[in-house]
Formats: sequence, structure tokens, C-alpha cells
Amino acid sequence: DAGVIQSPRHEVTEMGQEVTLRCKLISGHNSLFWYRQTMMRGLELLIYFNNNVPIDDSGMPEDRFSAKMPNASFSTLKIQPSEPRDSAVYFCASSTTAGGYGYTFGSGTRLTVV
Amino acid sequence: AQSVSQHNHHVILSEAASLELGCNYSYGGTVNLFWYVQYPGQHLQLLLKYFSGDPLVKGIKGFEAEFIKSKFSFNLRKPSVQWSDTAEYFCASGGYNKLIFGAGTRLAVHP
Repeated sequence: DAGVIQSPRHEVTEMGQEVTLRCKLISGHNSLFWYRQTMMRGLELLIYFNNNVPIDDSGMPEDRFSAKMPNASFSTLKIQPSEPRDSAVYFCASSTTAGGYGYTFGSGTRLTVV
Repeated sequence: AQSVSQHNHHVILSEAASLELGCNYSYGGTVNLFWYVQYPGQHLQLLLKYFSGDPLVKGIKGFEAEFIKSKFSFNLRKPSVQWSDTAEYFCASGGYNKLIFGAGTRLAVHP
């Protein structure tokens, strides 16, 4: 079991550029969660999917953020255009049910927007 | 709405001291409770979980937690901490849809 795989591990980009973060779920998991972690706000749930369908995107900060699940095992989180305040560590997590049995987290993507 | 409260934001202990981190959850139907740990620069890892049965749950690395229904609490304990336990600890409550995380408690263990 390879676990939840995120890429890239680190991303440094200039303000205004598009950023795409990627996440591969554990085989057999059907729920996917995107979190953002900062010192100021802690761990924030951005969006989650169940069986490829977005269930709750109320945590997405603004329209610059979008997330997709083109298939059952893969998700992307896109920020366009990026801003310095988007700098954070972005985690994805997957689960076999809609969260009730705990998550397995990926190693995160550390995003720095300069 | 479901919520999870962690009482201490920062805890500093010396090695061999006992640890107890507080966690209270709001009632939201089925109670699934979790403690996660995040070591510096790493992702969250599951320490232990409670779904039903024995309210005293044992996890990895000598950690345990006790579910007290009357107090809506799920406190994390360890009898003797080590320097390697320095990390951030998150309590979480899982309902049908998603996990709700507490704000986290940063633990620093001094040699």
C-alpha cells in the first residue's frame, strides 16, 4: 500500500501564476479531503469528495481555488491566480467512507507564493 | 454543528513527566473519536481511535485515551513522555460526512 501520494512536495511560484497540486488516493478509498494548514489558522478543510462528487466546498477560500476528481483515484487542487497569502502546506487525505472511520493523510505540498 | 475543543494550545513538559491533553466534543449522533499526531515537518498520523466498546483505548507509542460519555471528553494520556513525543496533537470527531478537527495542542518535551 503506497499510501496517499501528493505532488509536488514543495512548490515556489510567483504571485499571479497558476498552481496545481496533485493527490493520488489509496486504492479502494472513496472519499477525498483537501486541507490547508497555516500557523495562523491551523488545519482548515477546503473541500471534500465522496465517490468523485464534491460534497462540501464551503471551505474553499474564494473563486481562485478549484478542485476536481477526474477519476476515482486522483484529484487536483488548482489556484489561479496565486497570491502570497495562499502560502501554506496543503494536505490531502482519503478514507474508505465519508470520514467516519478516520483518514490517511498524504505528506503534503508546501506552497510558497512570492 | 459538531465541534471539537482542545483546551491547551501549548504544553511544555520534561522527559518522564506524565501527559494529559484535553479534548471535548459536541454531541452529533454516532461518536467516532480520533487522536492524530503531527511530528515537525510531517503529515498527520493516526495515534488511536474509538468507535465503541471499551472506553479506554490504547494506541501506538504508549498513548491511550479515555472516552467519558457523560463529560463529552476523549482525553489523551501517556504516563511518561519522551523527547521524541514533541509534536502537535489533534483530536477529531467523525460523523457521517467528515472529521472535525480541534485546533491542535503543541507539545514540547525537554530533555
